[in-house]
Amino acid sequence: AQSVAQPEDQVNVAEGNPLTVKCTYSVSGNPYLFWYVQYPNRGLQFLLKYITGDNLVKGSYGFEAEFNKSQTSFHLKKPSALVSDSALYFCAVRDNQADSNYQLIWGAGTKLIIKP
Amino acid sequence: GAGVSQSPRYKVAKRGQDVALRCDPISGHVSLFWYQQALGQGPEFLTYFQNEAQLDKSGLPSDRFFAERPEGSVSTLKIQRTQQEDSAVYLCASSLTRYLTDTQYFGPGTRLTVL
Repeated sequence: AQSVAQPEDQVNVAEGNPLTVKCTYSVSGNPYLFWYVQYPNRGLQFLLKYITGDNLVKGSYGFEAEFNKSQTSFHLKKPSALVSDSALYFCAVRDNQADSNYQLIWGAGTKLIIKP
Repeated sequence: GAGVSQSPRYKVAKRGQDVALRCDPISGHVSLFWYQQALGQGPEFLTYFQNEAQLDKSGLPSDRFFAERPEGSVSTLKIQRTQQEDSAVYLCASSLTRYLTDTQYFGPGTRLTVL
């Protein structure tokens, strides 16, 4: 069965410092991995995805994520945090071997707080 | 261009009422998804449409939930005889093709409160 874990409910980072939001996954085949951000009272916004190829994926707003197959992880990173990055971040996975499986499995979310 | 839109944005229903939630996907998008998001949780898959065909409805929590997309564009999620446990944000997403690698683009959601 597919699953996603975001082990931290909340991450606190000082503005200007690097940030990491963790995500680990479990799938039967190879994963398609996604990161989304959710601001209060707004829909989910796509940040980046890993499908295949280079393990380091660059996305919107200066975010990047590294796919690590041996550790089954896809951590979200940013070199220098901004106060405006404060939001709720979700990791999601889909198993590429399940041709008829349309479900995107989501983590519980990590609240990122950037302090000035 | 226009993104995914949902209406109403907020809905309050008395227990036992029927509700209908509308989703307007991005024009031309083949795939359409419905999710349920409880407070403080990640979205939970409800159902999937490829054009007008409902290919996966395994996430619908009960037979009180029904979704349709009759012309392959606008979709409606209907909940009959609402219960308090139905209170949640209902998210709609669309993607360009039928491929699993496609990015899903989300609407702002409909917050349903059942009293």
